[in-house]
Amino acid sequence: DIMLTQSPATLSVTPGESISLSCRASQSISTNLHWYQQKPNESPRVLIKYASQTISGIPSRFSGSGSGTDFTLNINRVEPEDFSVYYCQQSNSWPLTFGSGTKLEIK
Amino acid sequence: QVQLQQSGAELAKPGTSVKLSCKASGYTFTSYYIYWVKQRPGQGLEWIGYIYPGNGGTYYSEKFKGKATFTADTSSSTAYMLLGSLTPEDSAYYFCARDYYDGTYYYWYFDFWGPGTMVTVSS
Repeated sequence: DIMLTQSPATLSVTPGESISLSCRASQSISTNLHWYQQKPNESPRVLIKYASQTISGIPSRFSGSGSGTDFTLNINRVEPEDFSVYYCQQSNSWPLTFGSGTKLEIK
Repeated sequence: QVQLQQSGAELAKPGTSVKLSCKASGYTFTSYYIYWVKQRPGQGLEWIGYIYPGNGGTYYSEKFKGKATFTADTSSSTAYMLLGSLTPEDSAYYFCARDYYDGTYYYWYFDFWGPGTMVTVSS
């Protein structure tokens, strides 16, 4: 199975800061990597597909980059509603797997 | 609009089974994969597997073989997951989610999610 390692586990920031979250795969997965946001007591929602492709309805401050084994989710100027947990998920091979998540919290 | 409605919370005893449902609406049920995902309270997401209602085909993550069984009723556009031989480690939220499909290709990420069903296993 492909393991996805997310870092940091927790990130404390002030609204308005710009941040980057990391997701590293245990083997090359091309750009078959997707990002989700999960707010407390809600289902996850997809933010970015295939490493860098945008999703309709998602604010433009969210962007993604990377290929192979190293991927990044960027949030330009964090808004108060962005404080939640972020997961990456690979679709390169079965079984599909998720990273352990990064919790974005208010400093 | 696309919706996935999941059944209500379950309280079950160890050793028993529960059957969770996921009723789809707003799209052609038989054309999309339905995934199931486990999330223990305060923990991350764990992919269980999928069912393709178009032909009943299933795939289970190795960890959940023998634990989960997927079925689908196309007449009611409802997917089911049977969880058997329950233990306290099965206490979790279980989400159903839909694969993204553009009419030609499947993309293996989850574009719509149900609200989740909480399963509590306790004697």
